[in-house]
Amino acid sequence: NAGVTQTPKFQVLKTGQSMTLQCAQDMNHEYMSWYRQDPGMGLRLIHYSVGAGITDQGEVPNGYNVSRSTTEDFPLRLLSAAPSQTSVYFCASSRSPWYNEQFFGPGTRLTVL
Amino acid sequence: TQLLEQSPQFLSIQEGENLTVYCNSSSVFSSLQWYRQEPGEGPVLLVTVVTGGEVKKLKRLTFQFGDARKDSSLHITAAQPGDTGLYLCAGAPDSGYALNFGKGTSLLVTP
Repeated sequence: NAGVTQTPKFQVLKTGQSMTLQCAQDMNHEYMSWYRQDPGMGLRLIHYSVGAGITDQGEVPNGYNVSRSTTEDFPLRLLSAAPSQTSVYFCASSRSPWYNEQFFGPGTRLTVL
Repeated sequence: TQLLEQSPQFLSIQEGENLTVYCNSSSVFSSLQWYRQEPGEGPVLLVTVVTGGEVKKLKRLTFQFGDARKDSSLHITAAQPGDTGLYLCAGAPDSGYALNFGKGTSLLVTP
């Protein structure tokens, strides 16, 4: 099993550009989520999904869109990148949001100039 | 959002010392998880505690969930350089789907 994979590993964008961060898992997990991690701020939830076709907002959803057309994939779209979106982004999956282990991907380090 | 406060924020100790990291909240959680994160990688689960007062041991690591399910602690005995990393606690609310993470404790163990 590959677990949770994320691409790209690193990305540099200019302000106003758009891009999609890819996330895929091969564990047949229903629950998937996106976090951003900033120095001194910990992990903050951006969006999450409890199954294919179902998504909802987390703590910091502004400027990001998600969709969940399959169980395996949960892409995160930046519509118009801003310097405030410079961060490390982690995708995670689990069998359920509560008691089960969250499996994290290796992260995408995004810089917006 | 239910806030989780972790302390201390940074900890630098020498190999062989003991340490305790705290995770506190004013809210009740149905369960609490501890993760460790190494530089350049995603967090990895260490333990999940569910019952108030529960104590779990993982080799030299001891985890405790408070009786009221509002706080937790992680105690490391005889720390080793391999314990270096960012320790994160995460609480599952009684309702809703969002897992709330603390800001983490950055631990450095020097030989």
